Amino acid sequence: DGGITQSPKYLFRKEGQNVTLSCEQNLNHDAMYWYRQDPGQGLRLIYYSQIVNDFQKGDIAEGYSVSREKKESFPLTVTSAQKNPTAFYLCASGGQGGQETQYFGPGTRLLVL
Amino acid sequence: QKEVEQNSGPLSVPEGAIASLNCTYSDRGSQSFFWYRQYSGKSPELIMSIYSNGDKEDGRFTAQLNKASQYVSLLIRDSQPSDSATYLCAVYILRNQGGKLIFGQGTELSVKP
Repeated sequence: DGGITQSPKYLFRKEGQNVTLSCEQNLNHDAMYWYRQDPGQGLRLIYYSQIVNDFQKGDIAEGYSVSREKKESFPLTVTSAQKNPTAFYLCASGGQGGQETQYFGPGTRLLVL
Repeated sequence: QKEVEQNSGPLSVPEGAIASLNCTYSDRGSQSFFWYRQYSGKSPELIMSIYSNGDKEDGRFTAQLNKASQYVSLLIRDSQPSDSATYLCAVYILRNQGGKLIFGQGTELSVKP
């Protein structure tokens, strides 16, 4: 059963804590993406990776970090430097060209305690 | 000027009517265009992609692209209450360091029984 999985569904972060959001895909897609969505807003790109062991900053990368050690996995860490982390985080994957369709995982909702 | 603009709505139509959703974009060189549907609290799901001028039909959905006017629209025929959602327009825009998918803020559609 092909698709994109994200975990956890909900995540609570304490002040000064780093948290990591998981994203896995079995669609054999080269490219993977992380977006942030705030209420009533469109999606904003945090980081993206076109191939394994390579990634680029998106429009709002400050306070976030990623790794791409395997084609299937693209975890996102929300660091303590991100002062306003409460949002809906969406992982997507697609063809390497970027112009191809991106497919989304179910999302992780991050809340600050 | 935003790179991708949509009316935020809400757009309200009666059941069985045609819903018309509009999107304009700023980059004249854009080649790929996508419509996603997002139910409240869920992740976006792809409805249509369109790459050439003209109309593309898929069931009750028709995407229309006019590159000269930098305009892409989505028509939903025989609208159903289950079509009530936020519709996101996304445009692949080339930048100096590669291309990115840019999302509009979404149009909320409400179909009244």
